[in-house]
Amino acid sequence: DSGVTQTPKHLITATGQRVTLRCSPRSGDLSVYWYQQSLDQGLQFLIQYYNGEERAKGNILERFSAQQFPDLHSELNLSSLELGDSALYFCASSVVLDSGANVLTFGAGSRLTVL
Amino acid sequence: GNSVTQMEGPVTLSEEAFLTINCTYTATGYPSLFWYVQYPGEGLQLLLKATKADDKGSNKGFEATYRKETTSFHLEKGSVQVSDSAVYFCALSDPQFSGGYNKLIFGAGTRLAVHP
Repeated sequence: DSGVTQTPKHLITATGQRVTLRCSPRSGDLSVYWYQQSLDQGLQFLIQYYNGEERAKGNILERFSAQQFPDLHSELNLSSLELGDSALYFCASSVVLDSGANVLTFGAGSRLTVL
Repeated sequence: GNSVTQMEGPVTLSEEAFLTINCTYTATGYPSLFWYVQYPGEGLQLLLKATKADDKGSNKGFEATYRKETTSFHLEKGSVQVSDSAVYFCALSDPQFSGGYNKLIFGAGTRLAVHP
C-alpha cells in the first residue's frame, strides 16, 4: 500500500457521461498530480495541485477539470466522455527530500472504460 | 522542451541474464532523474533516483548513473529474475519550476519479460 488512495478502482460508463475520480494523498503530502496512462499515449501529465492551488497544467482537455480540497484530497472530473478517454488515471502525491528531489508516490489507479 | 526517450520494448531475457534499458533525456537546467517500475495490474513504484551528475541510484540490484555529459540514465541489473518482469519508466523532474514539487516527465516505458 503506497498510502495514496484512489477510488473507484474500475469504472465503466457510456459515451457522453460524466465521472469523478477521487484521490487521497499520503498523510503530510501537500502536492497532488494526475496522470493519464493509455496504450498509445503512455503516461501523460494532466494537472498538479499544491495545497489547494493549481500549480501546473499539462495535456488536460477542456472537458476535464480537477480540484484539491482543504483536506487535500483531490477529484478529477471527466465530462462528455468519449471512447478515447478510456485509460488508467493515476494520482500521485509528493514530498520534497532534503536533497531537493521531488519524489512522487502513485496510487493504484482508476481504470476507466467508456463504451 | 524537456523530454525522456527510452529504448523500445519489449525486452525479453532469460533468468540470470544481464539487463540494460537505455534512457536519455533533454532538459534545461538540472533535473533529478528517476526509474519507476509498474508491475502488472499495479501503480508505479519508485525504483531508484539520482539528483545530480555522477550520482548512482541503486535498489533491489538495479543501478543507474546520472551522466550529464551523455544526458543518460541507463538502468542495469546484473542478473534478472522472473519477478522483475514489469514495465520500467524513466522520468525526470521538470526543472522549469523552482522550489521543488516539480512534475515528472516520463518516457514511454519499456516492457521487460523474464523467462525461466
